[in-house]
Amino acid sequence: AQSVTQLDSQVPVFEEAPVELRCNYSSSVSVYLFWYVQYPNQGLQLLLKYLSGSTLVESINGFEAEFNKSQTSFHLRKPSVHISDTAEYFCAVSRPYNNNDMRFGAGTRLTVKP
Amino acid sequence: ETGVTQSPTHLIKTRGQQVTLRCSSQSGHNTVSWYQQALGQGPQFIFQYYREEENGRGNFPPRFSGLQFPNYSSELNVNALELDDSALYLCASSLPTSENTGELFFGEGSRLTVL
Repeated sequence: AQSVTQLDSQVPVFEEAPVELRCNYSSSVSVYLFWYVQYPNQGLQLLLKYLSGSTLVESINGFEAEFNKSQTSFHLRKPSVHISDTAEYFCAVSRPYNNNDMRFGAGTRLTVKP
Repeated sequence: ETGVTQSPTHLIKTRGQQVTLRCSSQSGHNTVSWYQQALGQGPQFIFQYYREEENGRGNFPPRFSGLQFPNYSSELNVNALELDDSALYLCASSLPTSENTGELFFGEGSRLTVL
């Protein structure tokens, strides 16, 4: 089965600074990869996903992630964060065409300070 | 388009009791997955329902059971509640397989507290 490790449980940064949230996965087969964001007292919202093709994927609010097969990583980056980016971020992995066992990491709490 | 809705949003039970949580899937979605998210942790897969049948199950005991109805809504039932069952229970729906790009669409969850 596939699994995900998020290497940082908490990442504090100052507003307008760059940030990287790290994610490594383990799987014996090809995978789909996802980043979800969770704001307080809410469910999870999809931020971006990698299915196939270009290894660099972007979200509408300035985040990007790069699929690196050799390093089995899918790190999330943003060149300049805002206070509103403060949230919990979850990396997830599933098998292609089959999300009946999507596995999530333990989460990274991003706190953006003024 | 109506998103995934869950009820109740909060509830408190005592050890040994039983609980039923409900989920309405997003319009056009025929698959529902349930996750348990303990405080400070990532969501853990409980099970998935597709066409009213269980279609995959995580490492949860049989006292966690579910149903899916013809309109694709779903229930999660937990019997003999334990203190460790206290968590946010998330329901997620997804598109039919032929259109499925893997994305799960989550509701806002039902927060269960077991005393």
